[in-house]
Order: sequence, then C-alpha cells, then structure tokens
Amino acid sequence: DVKVTQSSRYLVKRTGEKVFLECVQDMDHENMFWYRQDPGLGLRLIYFSYDVKMKEKGDIPEGYSVSREKKERFSLILESASTNQTSMYLCASRTTGEPGFNEQYFGPGTRLTVT
Amino acid sequence: GNSVTQMEGPVTLSEEAFLTINCTYTATGYPSLFWYVQYPGEGLQLLLKATKADDKGSNKGFEATYRKETTSFHLEKGSVQVSDSAVYFCALSGGYSTLTFGKGTMLLVSP
Repeated sequence: DVKVTQSSRYLVKRTGEKVFLECVQDMDHENMFWYRQDPGLGLRLIYFSYDVKMKEKGDIPEGYSVSREKKERFSLILESASTNQTSMYLCASRTTGEPGFNEQYFGPGTRLTVT
Repeated sequence: GNSVTQMEGPVTLSEEAFLTINCTYTATGYPSLFWYVQYPGEGLQLLLKATKADDKGSNKGFEATYRKETTSFHLEKGSVQVSDSAVYFCALSGGYSTLTFGKGTMLLVSP
C-alpha cells in the first residue's frame, strides 16, 4: 500500500514563527503536492513538485515556500506564520500512470493553529 | 480556467436511502474526473475515477458516469450506510498533473 505520512497531526504555533510541515511518501513517486483545506473552500493547491529540487506554485503560494531535497520528502515552510494560515494542510503524492490517469494519494493531514 | 461545482451540504439521509451528489465541471480539453472521500479525522481517499467520456467509475457500491454533453460526474449509491458518513469531493485533472477540487459535500447518514 502507498503510504504518505505527515510529521504532525496537530500543531500550535505563534504568529511570526517559522513553521515546517514535513511529508514523506514511500512509493518512489515523482510528483508531490501541498494543499490547504478550509471549510467552505475545499482544497486549494499551495505548491507542487514534479521531482527532486523542482517546485511550482499552485493557486495560493503567498506566504509559503517548499523544499524537495530528496525524492520521498516534501516540506512546506511558513516563513512567518500568521493567523490566516490556521488551516488543515494535506500532502499528496502522485503515481506516474498512463496519460490522463492522475490519481493522488493523500496523507492524514496536519491541523495547524497559529495564535 | 478549470473549476468544479458540487452541491452544498450537508446531505442528510436515513440508512438504505438513495444518494445523489451532483458535480459539474468546466475544463479545457478532456480531463479525467474523480470522486474522493474524507472520513472524519483522515486524509482523502480516492473513491472512483473516470478517464474519458461515457466511462463509469464504481467502487464500494458508489457509481459515477462521465457525461461530456452535460459536463457532469454525479455520484450515486443505491443504499447508503451509516459508515458512508463522510465528506465527498469531486475533482478533475488539469495541466501539470494537478487536480482541481470542488468544495466538498458532507454526507450524514442516520440509522
């Protein structure tokens, strides 16, 4: 089974802190993604990575950065946390299947609260 | 750009009732379509998928048919169970291997 793990289920940080959210997948997937999930807004893509050391901005990259130094690990960084970044953060990785087949596997999520 | 619209919830049903959750989409080209499910306290799991027009995806008693003429991918189940209570997300594949999600529909099934 594909397994995507996230470093914390719950995290509480203070405004202005630098925050690292870690994601690890064990299936040698090239593609990895970070989303945030908010009530009434669904999932929104923050950043994604095609492969090691590659990154692309998603729909809402402001206030975030990412790092992908190893294939299995994709980190989301909040340079200076703010209260409007309180949210559920979901990591996903993608199988490289046939064209048009785009299944993503998700981790359990990290619920971040910024006070 | 791509977008997905799904019915707002919560949808409240009694056990063994018929379920429909509507999903329509706007996209360029020929996207693949997905339904994901999120059980309480968990991440998203792929429920079913369809990769081309008229395909029917099915899993665990759920079905959805890719209708290009109506740009729809409605989720159906003939008889829901309490264990089906979850949030359901419709999604489509876009460029660069990304997914565009709807806002999610919460389903609550009572005994």
